[in-house]
Amino acid sequence: QVQLKESGPVLVQASETLSLTCTVSGFSLTNYGVIWVRQPPGKGLEWMGIIWRNGNTDYNSALKSRLSINRDTSKSQVFLKMNSLQTDDTAIYYCTRESPHAFMDAWGQGASVTVSS
Amino acid sequence: DIQMTQSPSVLSASVGDRVTLNCKASQNINKYLNWYQQKLGEAPKLLIYNTNNLQTGIPSRFSGSGSGTDYTLTISSLQPEDVATYFCFQHNSWPTFGSGTKLEIK
Repeated sequence: QVQLKESGPVLVQASETLSLTCTVSGFSLTNYGVIWVRQPPGKGLEWMGIIWRNGNTDYNSALKSRLSINRDTSKSQVFLKMNSLQTDDTAIYYCTRESPHAFMDAWGQGASVTVSS
Repeated sequence: DIQMTQSPSVLSASVGDRVTLNCKASQNINKYLNWYQQKLGEAPKLLIYNTNNLQTGIPSRFSGSGSGTDYTLTISSLQPEDVATYFCFQHNSWPTFGSGTKLEIK
């Protein structure tokens, strides 16, 4: 069964760095990529970036200067780090699986992050 | 970036109705269009991928169609459990989402 689960702090101070972990099961990170998507309260979805199955990464140009995505394949974990947080980074952060046929199929439950000023 | 425009933003329909949701891309996306359903408080769920392919486990009352810049999601007979917000998503080029259609029951 394919599963993804996000974990990390619920509250982060403005100007600090957000660190989130996506732990996956039911598939290998060497066969599938992982995508991060976020959703501010009451708003739509924003595609943040991807770490492909080969370990390469691509980032949303609007976030590229602040965002990095890495992984530990032995632990089946993907890591998101985003620095210089502002209050408008408050959102639910989702990790999703990149699949060859559907591009983005399974989703984690989401991690709610509040940036406090 | 490709802009995705969904219409209507809110749709109210009765149980059993045939419902159509629309998604228009700012340029040709070559049928690389997915539909996701998000119920209140839940993560989005993939319904349809690449315009008209039903994801495993999704009821057959959901279907998708379209080409070029114009795409639709159809629910053939609306059920109470279909109350949700529906997002379209293109992955022809840098991925982008539509702003969503909120589907309500009359």
